[in-house]
Amino acid sequence: GDSVTQMEGPVTLSEEAFLTINCTYTATGYPSLFWYVQYPGEGLQLLLKATKADDKGSNKGFEATYRKETTSFHLEKGSVQVSDSAVYFCALGSNDYKLSFGAGTTVTVRA
Amino acid sequence: ETGVTQTPRHLVMGMTNKKSLKCEQHLGHNAMYWYKQSAKKPLELMFVYNFKEQTENNSVPSRFSPECPNSSHLFLHLHTLQPEDSALYLCASSQDETSGRDTQYFGPGTRLTVL
Repeated sequence: GDSVTQMEGPVTLSEEAFLTINCTYTATGYPSLFWYVQYPGEGLQLLLKATKADDKGSNKGFEATYRKETTSFHLEKGSVQVSDSAVYFCALGSNDYKLSFGAGTTVTVRA
Repeated sequence: ETGVTQTPRHLVMGMTNKKSLKCEQHLGHNAMYWYKQSAKKPLELMFVYNFKEQTENNSVPSRFSPECPNSSHLFLHLHTLQPEDSALYLCASSQDETSGRDTQYFGPGTRLTVL
């Protein structure tokens, strides 16, 4: 079945450091790929999405490119801030309405 | 108010209590979802409603009873819960449920503690 595997955390960084969270997927067909973010005490918020191969999703300085050849959708940000401290979830959606979520990666950014 | 709202934000209940969680979406969507988020476990899909009809019950115990009176409102009725049911319960909505490619929009969740 469809699934995503994302980098296990926790990840601790200093402010202005470069962040990468790896996400790979297994799917039949042509899924959409998502990154959601969950700030402390809140629900999940859509961070970015990509619906087809080679699409790049971007938002708030975060980027991820849908790579069909490597079945990956890695999340990157060039210079993180303390306010980026959160749990990040990679997710996959295909013809089946269900979203397949990764386990989540906790990111802590220190000042 | 915009987006997906959930009430209450926090709930503490005993095992013999009956309580309900409420979700409302202001996005004009047709599909609504209940998820359970437990510590150190992946997000679990519980129920799906599309145009008020339940289309998925993901082997959820009967002590959880969903209700969807219209496309904007979703309830989760709780009865005789167990301590292991303590979790964050998240509601989400999407335009329709026929395609997982649709973005799901989440509410802030209800933090449930069962004593």
